[in-house]
Amino acid sequence: DIQMTQSPSSLSASVGDRVTITCQASQDINNHLNWYQQKPGKAPKLLIYDASNLITGVPSRFSGSGSGTDFTFTISSVQPEDIASYYCQQYHNPYTFGQGTNLEIK
Amino acid sequence: EVQLVESGGGLVQPGRSLRLSCTGSGFTFGDYAMIWVRQAPGKGLEWVGLIRSKTYGGTTEYASSVEGRFTISRDDSKGIAYLQMNSLKTEDTAVYFCSRTRAALPSSGWFAILYWGQGALVTVSS
Repeated sequence: DIQMTQSPSSLSASVGDRVTITCQASQDINNHLNWYQQKPGKAPKLLIYDASNLITGVPSRFSGSGSGTDFTFTISSVQPEDIASYYCQQYHNPYTFGQGTNLEIK
Repeated sequence: EVQLVESGGGLVQPGRSLRLSCTGSGFTFGDYAMIWVRQAPGKGLEWVGLIRSKTYGGTTEYASSVEGRFTISRDDSKGIAYLQMNSLKTEDTAVYFCSRTRAALPSSGWFAILYWGQGALVTVSS
């Protein structure tokens, strides 16, 4: 099984800050890496697929990069509505989620 | 508009069985792989299993935590996917989400999970 190591587990940021979340796969997954946002009591929402492709309608302050085993998710300027949990997910074989990152606003 | 609606959740005793249903609408159900994901209270997301479309053999795959106990099936004529859960354990307590891939055929990001149901709560307790 492919393991996904996501860090940090929690993050506190001020409005306007740049934040970064990392995700490391236990083996090469090419670019088969997605990022999701989940708000309390809601289903997850796909933000980025294939490591760096933004889903239509998702604000451009969200971005992703990486390939192989190391991936990064960035919010360039955190907004109050970004309070949520964020998850990476590999779909190389077949699916594994990272442990999640809880983002709070200072 | 794509919609996925789970049903069948509830309280069940350890060792018993429960079947969840996921009814899809707004798309050609049989063209897509369907995926089940769960989330224990206060915990992260855990992939449970998937069933591919008939185009790709209708094959299933499962997480090791549920392999041999859970079975996913589909009835494309009704637009329903099922999650049969047997020998339930207290650690199976979770909200179970039904979901659908982004695309039906191989393309960039096709197996990303784009559509989700609202979730069904399964509580395993005596």
